[in-house]
Amino acid sequence: EAAVTQSPRNKVTVTGGNVTLSCRQTNSHNYMYWYRQDTGHGLRLIHYSYGAGNLQIGDVPDGYKATRTTQEDFFLLLELASPSQTSLYFCASSVNRFTLYFGEGSRLIVV
Amino acid sequence: GDSVTQKQGQVTLSEDDFLFINCTYSTTTYPTLFWYVQYPGQGPQLLLKVTTANNKGISRGFEATYDKGTTSFHLQKASVQESDSAVYFCALVDLTGYQNFYFGKGTSLTVIP
Repeated sequence: EAAVTQSPRNKVTVTGGNVTLSCRQTNSHNYMYWYRQDTGHGLRLIHYSYGAGNLQIGDVPDGYKATRTTQEDFFLLLELASPSQTSLYFCASSVNRFTLYFGEGSRLIVV
Repeated sequence: GDSVTQKQGQVTLSEDDFLFINCTYSTTTYPTLFWYVQYPGQGPQLLLKVTTANNKGISRGFEATYDKGTTSFHLQKASVQESDSAVYFCALVDLTGYQNFYFGKGTSLTVIP
């Protein structure tokens, strides 16, 4: 079973603050994703990557940057956090184009 | 572009009731369709997938078949249990690009014992 670990699990920051969400997967999957989950919207793709150094823009990228430093590590950066970015964030990885393995989520509150 | 639609936001059933969750999709390719389940406090996990129209995906008592004619992909279970209480997401994967998954908005199922 693939393991995807996210940190921090919970974060509170102020408007305008700087936040980095981290994700590590231990099975050398090529694909990694960042989603946000909000009531009434389901899962929305922010950014994704198909390998170290690669970045692709998802469906809701505004206000977010991402960086894939290694095969295992994928980071989501909020450089000027806003209340609209209060959400539950999930990282996921995939190797076979059919199954996503999700982490347990990072809950972010921007006050 | 590709999309999936789940109109049922919440479903409440009693144990042993029949479950039917509606999902329709839109795509210009031949899709692979999925149901993911998210239990409280966890990330979503794969429940079942169907790669070919009219084939049935079966897992843990759940089953789904996708119909190209009606572009539907419904999830059903004959007899739900309290442990099935979760959020269920329909999804499809775009095989023509960088493997982008498209998720529905999710259906929250509550099963009353």
